[in-house]
Amino acid sequence: EVQLVESGGGLIQPGGCLRLSCAASGFTFNNYVMTWVRQAPGKGLEWVSTITGSGDASYADSVKGRFTFSRDNSKSTLYLQMNSLRAEDTAIYYCVREGSYNFDSWGQGTLLTVSS
Amino acid sequence: QSALTQPRSVSGSPGQSVTISCTGTSSDVGGYNYVSWYQQHPGKAPKLMIYGVNRRPSGVPDRFSGSKSGNTASLTISGLQAEDDGDYYCCSYAGTYTYWVFGGGTKLTVL
Repeated sequence: EVQLVESGGGLIQPGGCLRLSCAASGFTFNNYVMTWVRQAPGKGLEWVSTITGSGDASYADSVKGRFTFSRDNSKSTLYLQMNSLRAEDTAIYYCVREGSYNFDSWGQGTLLTVSS
Repeated sequence: QSALTQPRSVSGSPGQSVTISCTGTSSDVGGYNYVSWYQQHPGKAPKLMIYGVNRRPSGVPDRFSGSKSGNTASLTISGLQAEDDGDYYCCSYAGTYTYWVFGGGTKLTVL
């Protein structure tokens, strides 16, 4: 069974930094493209970043230059380093496995709140 | 404003059919057959319901179907059931720069 477990969310002040993690199990991790999708409170879904199995990452314009997506295939773990955080980054962050041009498995999400 | 346009809400009675539209552009919905749909219940993670415009993952009832015409994709749910109540999001691949775009979501109410 595919499992994706996010951790690391919390309350952080504007301008601060935080690292989210996602532990994956139940599938051959390095074979899969992985993605972060976020959802602001009461709002819709927003693509944040995608990383290939070899570690090449792409970012939404809203986070480019502030977020860094990486993976450790030996630990089946993803990391999202978030710097220069803003109030508008407040959201639930979901770790997602990509199937064939779709998001076939989602974690339960971790909540990031950016507020003073 | 979301990249893809969905109606804010739709409703139907049990047993009826509803259709949710998702309008994009030739750079996303119209340009690729990579439209997917997600169901989300309150406090839960989204769940994949349709991918590749009209393909159903295993375990998704055949009451759910998808289609596309030009820049607009649609999700149809036939024989509505109470458990179909929730939010539905469309998503499309949009190329190697934008990657993925989502719709703003549609709240389905089963009356």
